[in-house]
Amino acid sequence: LAKTTQPVSMDSYEGQEVNITCSHNNIATNDYITWYQQFPSQGPRFIIQGYKTKVTNEVASLFIPADRKSSTLSLPRVSLSDTAVYYCLVVLPPGGFKTIFGAGTRLFVKA
Amino acid sequence: DGGITQSPKYLFRKEGQNVTLSCEQNLNHDAMYWYRQDPGQGLRLIYYSQIVNDFQKGDIAEGYSVSREKKESFPLTVTSAQKNPTAFYLCASSARGQGAYGYTFGSGTRLTVV
Repeated sequence: LAKTTQPVSMDSYEGQEVNITCSHNNIATNDYITWYQQFPSQGPRFIIQGYKTKVTNEVASLFIPADRKSSTLSLPRVSLSDTAVYYCLVVLPPGGFKTIFGAGTRLFVKA
Repeated sequence: DGGITQSPKYLFRKEGQNVTLSCEQNLNHDAMYWYRQDPGQGLRLIYYSQIVNDFQKGDIAEGYSVSREKKESFPLTVTSAQKNPTAFYLCASSARGQGAYGYTFGSGTRLTVV
């Protein structure tokens, strides 16, 4: 199972773009890169998923280089409500029965 | 609306008691999971089930038991053998063949041993 490494914490200010990079050196050919967001005392929520190049949705963008050994979650113009823990996972569809959730990155957005 | 319902939201257990956490989903998902989360930590997999009447141990199954008699339900029992059960428990499900969106999580049960 591919293990991921991401920063323990990050600080930002409202209105800034935040980029969280995740390393996954032993990603397998069929694995997808998936990001979740978790607020305190809630379950994680799916944000975005991709296989290669760039994926964008209404919440975030995901950049994946050609070698797929890392990925970057980009949150445009963050607000206070984006303060949360962000998890980077590598998942074998349809869900990855033994997906590993690391400690995630704690993002704190300041006014 | 489809989703996962966990109950109760808060649960208190005395030393030596077994308690059962409920997880119900109406998403028609085949797979269901139980995770444990300790303060400031990531999620650790306790048990998972890919189909009805079948389940496998995750990384920290000792002291826990599950059943999967119905597709919609995957209850978790925390037994007295679990030495440190105080934690936040999360149930999740995923669809077979529709992997693009990963897991759907419930809102969690916070268990405290008193």
